[in-house]
Amino acid sequence: DAKTTQPPSMDCAEGRAANLPCNHSTISGNEYVYWYRQIHSQGPQYIIHGLKNNETNEMASLIITEDRKSSTLILPHATLRDTAVYYCIVRPRSQTGANNLFFGTGTRLTVIP
Amino acid sequence: DAGVTQSPTHLIKTRGQQVTLRCSPKSGHDTVSWYQQALGQGPQFIFQYYEEEERQRGNFPDRFSGHQFPNYSSELNVNALLLGDSALYLCASGIEAANSPLHFGNGTRLTVT
Repeated sequence: DAKTTQPPSMDCAEGRAANLPCNHSTISGNEYVYWYRQIHSQGPQYIIHGLKNNETNEMASLIITEDRKSSTLILPHATLRDTAVYYCIVRPRSQTGANNLFFGTGTRLTVIP
Repeated sequence: DAGVTQSPTHLIKTRGQQVTLRCSPKSGHDTVSWYQQALGQGPQFIFQYYEEEERQRGNFPDRFSGHQFPNYSSELNVNALLLGDSALYLCASGIEAANSPLHFGNGTRLTVT
């Protein structure tokens, strides 16, 4: 089922940019890249998603390579509250299967004071 | 604007019993999906409800069933509880036609003893 590969853990100094990589080498042209995060004891929180262009919102930026086989989530100025498990998910554009998100085990990001 | 709300937040049941968990979707959302998250694992898709019907189902036995009401709220029922059913149960809502990001509640922590 795994469609994405992420490092199991990463550390980032508070105030620095956190760059979280994700490989999705088998992604099809009909699939988005989504990022969620889960802070301890809470439900997953939607961060950002993209198809082929880079995207930015108030939380983060998403950089997708031209061949779409990998992406990077960037938290520009990490704070202690960004400590969480980050999930990179490939999601079909069509409605079929669009609600069946495969989370995998994600990357545990620890922001260090 | 309330997000996805789930009740109860915690529940303790005995093996063999039945349990019902409840979910109210985010305002304006019409589809609800349920996920199970075992300790240390990513969430796993159980099923999706739309227009009061089960539309997609993950790899879960028939002991897991659900319902969606006309107001879009949903219930998850689990019969004949096993110790292995102990987990965080998450509800996610979205807008089916828009293929919009799913928004998650903070879950119900079920402990089976």
